[in-house]
Amino acid sequence: NAGVTQTPKFQVLKTGQSMTLQCAQDMNHEYMSWYRQDPGMGLRLIHYSVGAGITDQGEVPNGYNVSRSTTEDFPLRLLLAAPSQTSVYFCASSTTGKGGYTFGSGTRLTVV
Amino acid sequence: ILNVEQSPQSLHVQEGDSTNFTCSFPSSNFYALHWYRWETAKSPEALFVMTLNGDEKKKGRISATLNTKEGYSYLYIKGSQPEDSATYLCAFIDNQGGKLIFGQGTELSVKP
Repeated sequence: NAGVTQTPKFQVLKTGQSMTLQCAQDMNHEYMSWYRQDPGMGLRLIHYSVGAGITDQGEVPNGYNVSRSTTEDFPLRLLLAAPSQTSVYFCASSTTGKGGYTFGSGTRLTVV
Repeated sequence: ILNVEQSPQSLHVQEGDSTNFTCSFPSSNFYALHWYRWETAKSPEALFVMTLNGDEKKKGRISATLNTKEGYSYLYIKGSQPEDSATYLCAFIDNQGGKLIFGQGTELSVKP
């Protein structure tokens, strides 16, 4: 049972490049979310999903896209990377909002 | 925008001290309140999920209470140990959807 798997663990991008952060869970969780962690800002919600085919915006969605074609996968896309997107990104999943979320190990992204 | 606030931002205590933190959240449309423990260089781990007004949860020396009518939750640590040093996060989810919104956390440091 792998839990929540995020890849890659580290990434350096140039401004204007695009990339996809991968998140997969093997617990059959319906709820999945993406967060970014910045110093002094805590965890801020980027996008979330309550099931396959359903996504919605969180607190800081600009510059990011998501899709949820399967229950297991919830990729986060950066279309035109900007230095302001330098952060640590966490993916998390849960059975429902009344269950504790399981977090992935994070992706540290630097945009230069 | 849901507002979740935690206090204090940081706390330094001596081994053996008991301590408590506060989380305040919107009192309307309540669905669940989560507490997480986040150690440096690791991912957040769920401590408690509380759903009913008056709920009390306990795990070892850590306990939490919930007041949904006034919109606050307390986390208590009895007899703090150095291994309790971590950031403690609370998060609120309302009944409008799957947004789990985090407070900025309380950073606890326990000195031997």
